[in-house]
Amino acid sequence: GENVEQHPSTLSVQEGDSAVIKCTYSDSASNYFPWYKQELGKRPQLIIDIRSNVGEKKDQRIAVTLNKTAKHFSLHITETQPEDSAVYFCAARGANFGNEKLTFGTGTRLTIIP
Amino acid sequence: DTAVSQTPKYLVTQMGNDKSIKCEQNLGHDTMYWYKQDSKKFLKIMFSYNNKELIINETVPNRFSPKSPDKAHLNLHINSLELGDSAVYFCASSKRAVSYEQYFGPGTRLTVT
Repeated sequence: GENVEQHPSTLSVQEGDSAVIKCTYSDSASNYFPWYKQELGKRPQLIIDIRSNVGEKKDQRIAVTLNKTAKHFSLHITETQPEDSAVYFCAARGANFGNEKLTFGTGTRLTIIP
Repeated sequence: DTAVSQTPKYLVTQMGNDKSIKCEQNLGHDTMYWYKQDSKKFLKIMFSYNNKELIINETVPNRFSPKSPDKAHLNLHINSLELGDSAVYFCASSKRAVSYEQYFGPGTRLTVT
């Protein structure tokens, strides 16, 4: 089955600087790659996603890049703010019948230092 | 205007008991999921239903039994609770044919003592 690895597990960034979180996946048939943000005690919430036919997507301070050949994708947050502090999860969705599920990475705890 | 709701929010119970968690979505989605998030924050899918039909059943003890009475509801019943079942359980839903985006419920924190 799909295996998603996520690095780093913790990341501390000075406010205003950029943060980058990286994920790799194993199933070359995966076709959808979302990123979720989970604040303490809250539900995971989708912040950005990308499909396998796109290489990059941007939404204000957040961007995601996908390299299908290398099977990795990354989350980029620019001009970080204290409210960006949270746990971030990447995920990959299988495309084959019976494997159409999200497999999540192990999460990155991002701390923004004021 | 709650999209995905779960009850209860907290559940504290003793080993060996049977308990249920309920989930409802008012988004008109056709696919619903149960996830388990353990103390290390690992988020892992347990089950998925599409139009009341089970489509994903991960390696989960058969003490866990999901039930979907209709497209808007997916309940999780757990028999003979064990200490290792303590976790946060999240329900989620999506409109499978339109978008892969999954909307999560607020979670149910289950503590087994």
